[in-house]
Amino acid sequence: EVHLVESGGGLIQPGGSLRLSCAASEFIVSRNYMSWVRQAPGQGLEWVSVVYSGGTTYYADSVKGRFTISRDNSKNTLYLQMNSLRAEDTAVYYCARGEGGPKLPYDYWGQGTLVTVSS
Amino acid sequence: SYVLTQPPSLSVAPGKTARITCGGDLTGGESVHWYHQKPGQAPVLIVYDNNDRPSGIPERFSGSNSGNTATLTISRVEAGDEADYYCQVWDSSSDHVIFGGGTKLTVL
Repeated sequence: EVHLVESGGGLIQPGGSLRLSCAASEFIVSRNYMSWVRQAPGQGLEWVSVVYSGGTTYYADSVKGRFTISRDNSKNTLYLQMNSLRAEDTAVYYCARGEGGPKLPYDYWGQGTLVTVSS
Repeated sequence: SYVLTQPPSLSVAPGKTARITCGGDLTGGESVHWYHQKPGQAPVLIVYDNNDRPSGIPERFSGSNSGNTATLTISRVEAGDEADYYCQVWDSSSDHVIFGGGTKLTVL
């Protein structure tokens, strides 16, 4: 069964950095369209970033230049490097798989990891 | 930027039909996907490509996309359907994924 398990969240001061991980099982991360989606407390879903199977990446305007999505094929793991963190980055971060590409939906989601940016 | 608009809330009595709309910048040519999310849980895909259902999703859930409005229809609403519902599309002009603001469905 497909599983996505996020880790790496926690409490971080404004301006700090954090790296989130998303370990995948029963499918190959590098052959899929993988995204990070976040949800601020009490708010809706916000798409953050995507990496295509070919390696192309895109970012939401709110995180562009601060966040970097990447993957480690040997570990079958997706990452989100978050720098220059702001209070408004506080959210549960989910990784999600889009099996067939950008037009298709996210068919599997992780359970999420909470990032709290506060002094 | 591309925007999807959903009503913030909807209340429906058990056994009745709930219709949740998703509008804004839709033109009718997009593939619209729907998720529900219960408190403390990750989103779950319930309708994809406008009107298809993943395996395991009851036939009570259906979708349509016409003109500039997509609609998620939940027939014979049950107490367990109480959740937040989100529509989602891919904006090909920006290569960004867009979510609607979400609709909180309350079963009376």
